[in-house]
Amino acid sequence: DSGVTQTPKHLITATGQRVTLRCSPRSGDLSVYWYQQSLDQGLQFLIQYYNGEERAKGNILERFSAQQFPDLHSELNLSSLELGDSALYFCASSVADRSYEQYFGPGTRLTVT
Amino acid sequence: AQRVTQPEKLLSVFKGAPVELKCNYSYSGSPELFWYVQYSRQRLQLLLRHISRESIKGFTADLNKGETSFHLKKPFAQEEDSAMYYCALLAGVRLSYGAGSYQLTFGKGTKLSVIP
Repeated sequence: DSGVTQTPKHLITATGQRVTLRCSPRSGDLSVYWYQQSLDQGLQFLIQYYNGEERAKGNILERFSAQQFPDLHSELNLSSLELGDSALYFCASSVADRSYEQYFGPGTRLTVT
Repeated sequence: AQRVTQPEKLLSVFKGAPVELKCNYSYSGSPELFWYVQYSRQRLQLLLRHISRESIKGFTADLNKGETSFHLKKPFAQEEDSAMYYCALLAGVRLSYGAGSYQLTFGKGTKLSVIP
């Protein structure tokens, strides 16, 4: 077990709704990364936080936002959901801000109907 | 922008046969490349990185800058090697105040199936 936890495991919601995905990093890790995995796009980097500060941004839509709290857990907020947002959302963590070795969580499967 | 390409979605080999999972990249800077693996019902995890030049579970990967490739190889496939394999490239910039902004760019993955 890598120690990264994500809740919920599954989420089914309707178009236009807003959801929040939660991630708790491994103990001691300061960096949190969010990824979206869909069948056609593969694993895409969304955003990185390091010790509460946004550090890197990938292909994250404006409808999506994230934050990292003082206790280092992170939340990914997805709003005005569309059918195309259905995907697996992974969180990963690492000790430092520049880390190739990221520890992944089990993912949250989001289904938008 | 950086890009990682894994041309094969699925690769099937017989047990004991050699395996080569292809990965090509494009990046303007000095590349740092990695292979991640996801076994059935397990999480995505780091398999190996090019800098270490080590062999993990019998797998090796050599960075070829001329061909911009980082293929993963194993001389004799085992059934337990069946998994999804992702090639990844680390790219980043040093921010003005000294901190770093880095991201891993993943390929779309190759599913390796080892036939008994």
